[in-house]
Amino acid sequence: AQKVTQAQTEISVVEKEDVTLDCVYETRDTTYYLFWYKQPPSGELVFLIRRNSFDEQNEISGRYSWNFQKSTSSFNFTITASQVVDSAVYFCALSEVGDSWGKLQFGAGTQVVVTP
Amino acid sequence: SAVISQKPSRDICQRGTSLTIQCQVDSQVTMMFWYRQQPGQSLTLIATANQGSEATYESGFVIDKFPISRPNLTFSTLTVSNMSPEDSSIYLCSVEDFGGVTANYGYTFGSGTRLTVV
Repeated sequence: AQKVTQAQTEISVVEKEDVTLDCVYETRDTTYYLFWYKQPPSGELVFLIRRNSFDEQNEISGRYSWNFQKSTSSFNFTITASQVVDSAVYFCALSEVGDSWGKLQFGAGTQVVVTP
Repeated sequence: SAVISQKPSRDICQRGTSLTIQCQVDSQVTMMFWYRQQPGQSLTLIATANQGSEATYESGFVIDKFPISRPNLTFSTLTVSNMSPEDSSIYLCSVEDFGGVTANYGYTFGSGTRLTVV
């Protein structure tokens, strides 16, 4: 069963618009980690953020912000004032503990297209 | 944070042949992971490689098709054997990257090997 759902396949915005990427996860563990990665057209995976299950504080880093809500099992990502360089595929991922430690379970990804 | 050198970056191979992908990490790591990303798809874990023990494979992946070596704490190889066009994918290695005292650590990935089988 899919444990990480990114329902948005592609989002197209015009530069300077805000864009929010949804991520819904499923786990029975009480301790787990959530991640966001960016994959630009060049193909490498760029780490953006890790959030552990005990830390529900929202995070802001420059134009990026994350909203973690355990009550709805969501970890959404917002890019404010988008730029063309933000065009990429963004992946949300889940890491559980125990025997699954270290194994990232990725969502399907959301393609973000920012046009000038 | 850890730096991973992955080789080759891309290759075009004939069906029925094998390709070995290498990952070199600039620091010692306990666990290394190998992922596959099929065209237009997400990443799927192939196996976990620990130094000194057999790799652990995920459902759908077998050692005969994807043999892995982990001779030391900084190096691993993944071989894609008896290739078919369905093996055309990006293959990535990954390590857990504590990156010092910062709480915001993640898993660092190699730059990927883009494999095309013809």
